[in-house]
Amino acid sequence: GIQVEQSPPDLILQEGANSTLRCNFSDSVNNLQWFHQNPWGQLINLFYIPSGTKQNGRLSATTVATERYSLLYISSSQTTDSGVYFCAVGGHSGAGSYQLTFGKGTKLSVIP
Amino acid sequence: DVKVTQSSRYLVKRTGEKVFLECVQDMDHENMFWYRQDPGLGLRLIYFSYDVKMKEKGDIPEGYSVSREKKERFSLILESASTNQTSMYLCASSSRGPNYGYTFGSGTRLTVV
Repeated sequence: GIQVEQSPPDLILQEGANSTLRCNFSDSVNNLQWFHQNPWGQLINLFYIPSGTKQNGRLSATTVATERYSLLYISSSQTTDSGVYFCAVGGHSGAGSYQLTFGKGTKLSVIP
Repeated sequence: DVKVTQSSRYLVKRTGEKVFLECVQDMDHENMFWYRQDPGLGLRLIYFSYDVKMKEKGDIPEGYSVSREKKERFSLILESASTNQTSMYLCASSSRGPNYGYTFGSGTRLTVV
């Protein structure tokens, strides 16, 4: 199956700093999503981004499908950004597109 | 506000019991999924369903079964609970396109004693 590697595994930021999280995957995909899991365990979908670039407020994401990686940018970080960020990918076609394989996540801690 | 609702936030069951975890979505999504999340192992897919009465095995289906009799409801069944099934169970749903974005429920933390 598809392998998903996220880096760094842990990240500590001062409030207001910017950061870049990376997701590498081992095969071509047509489904890629970024999630934030807050300290209470709720997973929130941030982006559906199998290719290209999207922005939502202080967050943006870029996926370069041909080179098999995706980046999540967090600007002007806030303490509420703390939690674990997951990248998840889905395969080529049909039912394989729907089911996601998750990376191990990047644990982000934003300190005041 | 669209939602995926899991019936219990915390559940404690005894070894050997039959356990039902319920998930309901109100978004008319075709796809529904059950994952479990464990420290160090991340999220792993147990089963998913892409239509009523349809089901597909995920990466770790052993010891589990599922039921989808109605589009909005997807149930995970532990036929005979064991201690190694102590975990956080997460339900999700998605449409079939063009945006496959998942919506997750808030999770059920199951402890088997």
